[in-house]
Amino acid sequence: GQNIDQPTEMTATEGAIVQINCTYQTSGFNGLFWYQQHAGEAPTFLSYNVLDGLEEKGRFSSFLSRSKGYSYLLLKELQMKDSASYLCAVKDSNYQLIWGAGTKLIIKP
Amino acid sequence: GAVVSQHPSWVICKSGTSVKIECRSLDFQATTMFWYRQFPKQSLMLMATSNEGSKATYEQGVEKDKFLINHASLTLSTLTVTSAHPEDSSFYICSARGTSDYEQFFGPGTRLTVL
Repeated sequence: GQNIDQPTEMTATEGAIVQINCTYQTSGFNGLFWYQQHAGEAPTFLSYNVLDGLEEKGRFSSFLSRSKGYSYLLLKELQMKDSASYLCAVKDSNYQLIWGAGTKLIIKP
Repeated sequence: GAVVSQHPSWVICKSGTSVKIECRSLDFQATTMFWYRQFPKQSLMLMATSNEGSKATYEQGVEKDKFLINHASLTLSTLTVTSAHPEDSSFYICSARGTSDYEQFFGPGTRLTVL
C-alpha cells in the first residue's frame, strides 16, 4: 500500500529552527510537496521537490532523498504565525497526490 | 499566482436537502479539478477527480450518486451533496490543476453543517 508518515505534533520556540520529517512509500514518485494549512483554511503551497537535494525559499527549505523515501521541511526564525499544520504529499506514478496526515506545529513565545 | 474560488464559503442546511458547491479557477484554465473532504483534525481525503467534459473518477468508498460532480467548463466544477445528512458535515475543498503538471491550487474551502 501507499503510506506517508509524519509526526502528529511538534512544539518549537519563537525565533528557533524546526525540522518536520516525512517518509513515504508510494507506487512510483513524481514529486513531493509541502503545504501549510492554518486551522479552518485550505492548504497553501510551500514547496515542491522532484530531484534530490535542498530547495531554499526564504525562511523555509525542503529537502528530498528519493533513495531513502525521505523529505524534511526546515523552518527558520520561527514566528507565531507559523503555527499551523504542515502537510507532506507525494505524487505517485498515476500523478495522484497521496497525502500525509499532517504535522501540527505549535510555536511558543 | 493562480487563484481558485469556492462558493459558498460556509453553508448550513437541514437534513435531507441538497447543497451545491462551486469551484472556479479565476485566471487559468483548469483541465483537472479535485474535490477533497477534511474532517476536524484529519488530513485531506480525496473524494474525486474530474476532467473537463468527462465523468468524474471517484475514490473508493465515495458514493457517486450522493456526491454529484460536474465539470462542464475549464473554469468551473460543481459538487452537489444530495440528501445531506449530519455525517456529511465537513470542510470541502476543491483544487485545480492547469497545464502545469505539478502544482494544484486550492480553493478556500466550504464548511458544510447539516442539522
